[in-house]
Amino acid sequence: DSGVTQTPKHLITATGQRVTLRCSPRSGDLSVYWYQQSLDQGLQFLIQYYNGEERAKGNILERFSAQQFPDLHSELNLSSLELGDSALYFCASNSVGAGELFFGEGSRLTVL
Amino acid sequence: GQNIDQPTEMTATEGAIVQINCTYQTSGFNGLFWYQQHAGEAPTFLSYNVLDGLEEKGRFSSFLSRSKGYSYLLLKELQMKDSASYLCAVRALGTGTASKLTFGTGTRLQVTL
Repeated sequence: DSGVTQTPKHLITATGQRVTLRCSPRSGDLSVYWYQQSLDQGLQFLIQYYNGEERAKGNILERFSAQQFPDLHSELNLSSLELGDSALYFCASNSVGAGELFFGEGSRLTVL
Repeated sequence: GQNIDQPTEMTATEGAIVQINCTYQTSGFNGLFWYQQHAGEAPTFLSYNVLDGLEEKGRFSSFLSRSKGYSYLLLKELQMKDSASYLCAVRALGTGTASKLTFGTGTRLQVTL
């Protein structure tokens, strides 16, 4: 158990819909990262937040947005969903200065 | 930008030794990481190298050559449970608290009897 909690674990929805994925980082970690992993694809970096502020942005689609709240949990919002958005979405956290990221179990999104 | 290459698949026998290579190109290097990922599960941290040389941790070792942009993960005394994907990731020099990792596509290792 990494200490990073993600909900929901599984989500099935239809094209055009909107979903919200939630992440609680490890106790004491201020940084949260979101990654997307499609079938047989590597982990693609989406976005990083540190203590409520955006710190780095990857190839995140305009239909996707994220935020980190004062209690440090983060949400990833995916809208106007397309079939190609079906993937595992991982959240990870770490402490400032620490190297490794600690990953949650992921949220598996299926768009039908 | 960053470019990370590693073999797509490897097969090895239980009890043997396997070496998984990773080459990278980055505009600013600040550490190389290896993760293990079983299918459908979260990646778990294996090792970290920021200086040249070998880091050993039990059955797993990782080597780094910064001048060659090259790393390898060495797995000894392979066990069936080692069948998984092994992800190479690079951290680039960032500003302040930005410290994302860029991952390769992973090497799927199959351990056979």
